[in-house]
Amino acid sequence: SQQGEEDPQALSIQEGENATMNCSYKTSINNLQWYRQNSGRGLVHLILIRSNEREKHSGRLRVTLDTSKKSSSLLITASRAADTASYFCATDLAGNEKLTFGTGTRLTIIP
Amino acid sequence: DTAVSQTPKYLVTQMGNDKSIKCEQNLGHDTMYWYKQDSKKFLKIMFSYNNKELIINETVPNRFSPKSPDKAHLNLHINSLELGDSAVYFCASTPTGGYTEAFFGQGTRLTVV
Repeated sequence: SQQGEEDPQALSIQEGENATMNCSYKTSINNLQWYRQNSGRGLVHLILIRSNEREKHSGRLRVTLDTSKKSSSLLITASRAADTASYFCATDLAGNEKLTFGTGTRLTIIP
Repeated sequence: DTAVSQTPKYLVTQMGNDKSIKCEQNLGHDTMYWYKQDSKKFLKIMFSYNNKELIINETVPNRFSPKSPDKAHLNLHINSLELGDSAVYFCASTPTGGYTEAFFGQGTRLTVV
C-alpha cells in the first residue's frame, strides 16, 4: 500500500488562484518532500521539510507539516499555466533508507 | 549536462524477450534507485543500491535483475518480459539513502506487446 495518500486526486483552478494539495502518511518520518512531474517527464524536487519543521517556503510554494496528524500540505500561490503537472509527496521513513511516494495530485491550471 | 540519464527513453518489445535499461548519474551520489510507475501514476520503489551494494529489493520478481558496475551506474535487466511489465521505469539517485532530495532520470516507457 502507498505510504502517502494525496488529496485531491485531481484539481482544476483558474490561473492566478491558489492551489492546495494535501498528503497524509502512516508512520514516523525523517522528512517529507514534494515533487512535480510534468507529463512524460521525470520527477523534479520542489521542497523538503524535516520532521522538526512546521512550515517552509520556497518562492510561490508553501509547505506545512503536522506530524501529530501525519499530514502535509503544499500551497502554490498565484498559479500559472506552467504549474500544470502532477504533484507527489514522498516520505523518508524513520530508520528506512528509501523514499516512498504518495498517489499524486493532478493539477490543471486553466488559462 | 544531464544529471541522471536513462536509455532508452522508449522501448517496445514482445512478450518473452529480454531487455535492459541503463542509468548513469554524474552527480557523485552514493545511492541509486529504480522506480516503476504504472498507468495510474503510482510510483513504487523496486531496488536501491548504495556504493554498488544492493540495499533494497522490494519483492520484485526475480526476472528483474539490477546491476551496478560502479556507483555511477545502475542498470536494470528484465528477462522473459510480460504484458504486466509495461510501465514507465525511473532511475533516481541521492547523496545518501533517502535523506535528501532525489534526482530522477526522464524515464523509460516500456511497452510489452
